[in-house]
Amino acid sequence: DVKVTQSSRYLVKRTGEKVFLECVQDMDHENMFWYRQDPGLGLRLIYFSYDVKMKEKGDIPEGYSVSREKKERFSLILESASTNQTSMYLCASGLAADLYNEQFFGPGTRLTVL
Amino acid sequence: GDSVTQMEGPVTLSEEAFLTINCTYTATGYPSLFWYVQYPGEGLQLLLKATKADDKGSNKGFEATYRKETTSFHLEKGSVQVSDSAVYFCALKAAGNKLTFGGGTRVLVKP
Repeated sequence: DVKVTQSSRYLVKRTGEKVFLECVQDMDHENMFWYRQDPGLGLRLIYFSYDVKMKEKGDIPEGYSVSREKKERFSLILESASTNQTSMYLCASGLAADLYNEQFFGPGTRLTVL
Repeated sequence: GDSVTQMEGPVTLSEEAFLTINCTYTATGYPSLFWYVQYPGEGLQLLLKATKADDKGSNKGFEATYRKETTSFHLEKGSVQVSDSAVYFCALKAAGNKLTFGGGTRVLVKP
């Protein structure tokens, strides 16, 4: 059974804290993605990675960074959390250079920044 | 740039009713089209997909047909169940590997 796991389902942090969200996939996928999900806005891509140590900005990268030291793991970092980063964060993985195949999603991390 | 527009919810239906969720898109080239579903408390999972014009994707009683002439990919189900209550996302994938999502449509099916 294919799996994308995220380190936390719920997280509460304070403004200014450094926050790490971890994602692990067991499908040997080259590509990994971080999205945030907000009501009425759907999913918006923050960053993606197509290989170890490679990353590309998505549509809303401001305030975020990422790390991919191993193929199976992709981390999202909020250097200094702010209240407007309160959201649901979804990680996904997928095969490389494939227009047709789906992305597989983790269960999400609901982050609240106070 | 690429974009997906889908009808806003929530859509509230009675069990066994007919469901349609409209989805239209703009994209360069020939995208693949997807419907994802998110059940309460869970991540997204693929419901169905179509990769070229006139393809019909189907799964779990849901269907959607890739209409290039109207740039649409409407989702339909003939008889919904309470267990179909979820948020449905239309998405496209054009050049590269990035998915572009619509805003999501919440569907609530009442017994």
